[in-house]
Amino acid sequence: QSALTQPRSVSGSPGQSVTISCTGSSSDVGTYVSWYQQRPGKAPKLMIYDVTKRPSGVPDRFSASRSGNTASLTISGLQAEDEADYYCSSYAGSYSSVVFGGGTEVTVL
Amino acid sequence: EVQLLESGGGLVQPGGSLRLSCAASGFTFSSYAMSWVRQVPGKGLEWVSAINGGGDSTYYADSVKGRFTISRDNSKNTLYLQMNSLRSEDTAVYYCAKSKYNPGYVNLDYWGQGTLVSVSS
Repeated sequence: QSALTQPRSVSGSPGQSVTISCTGSSSDVGTYVSWYQQRPGKAPKLMIYDVTKRPSGVPDRFSASRSGNTASLTISGLQAEDEADYYCSSYAGSYSSVVFGGGTEVTVL
Repeated sequence: EVQLLESGGGLVQPGGSLRLSCAASGFTFSSYAMSWVRQVPGKGLEWVSAINGGGDSTYYADSVKGRFTISRDNSKNTLYLQMNSLRSEDTAVYYCAKSKYNPGYVNLDYWGQGTLVSVSS
């Protein structure tokens, strides 16, 4: 159950866009990819599910995609409140095991 | 409003046991898969275990297989995690989380606040 690979940190100025990648094996990053935001001391929050779908209440500044073995989360129009850790997640080769990425710290400069 | 409230965490010696509970409200509990996810303070998320809505399908991470048991009581709207043969590396905050689907264990749309488990002599 190898973890998905994410960059440890990304940063951007307010209003800019940042993209976080999430790379796994061909059997990991499939149809069911989710992204979570976690602020310090808080529980994770679902931001994206089923690769590209946004739960109600999540700003449309958050978008996601997948190409081959890599999923990506893009935050457009970066805001101070977007500063947090972001984790991707998917099934690990089969539908009986789940894997998370190592997490990416997003810093708003 | 969906609420998940974990309890049962605490300090336990290596080799000991602990049972975590997660009381759910605000949704039809039996209709959704549930999961446990843990996080060592300052580190990343680690999936631990999942169970389908009916409770007859369970899944575990290799790191806990054979030591932890997930279960649910749909009459009490409660999820459990029985943890045996605890090791220092099991020290973490344990979150229970609701799946968006049943079955389906990747899209976790609601999380509890977490309960801290510390394994130390």
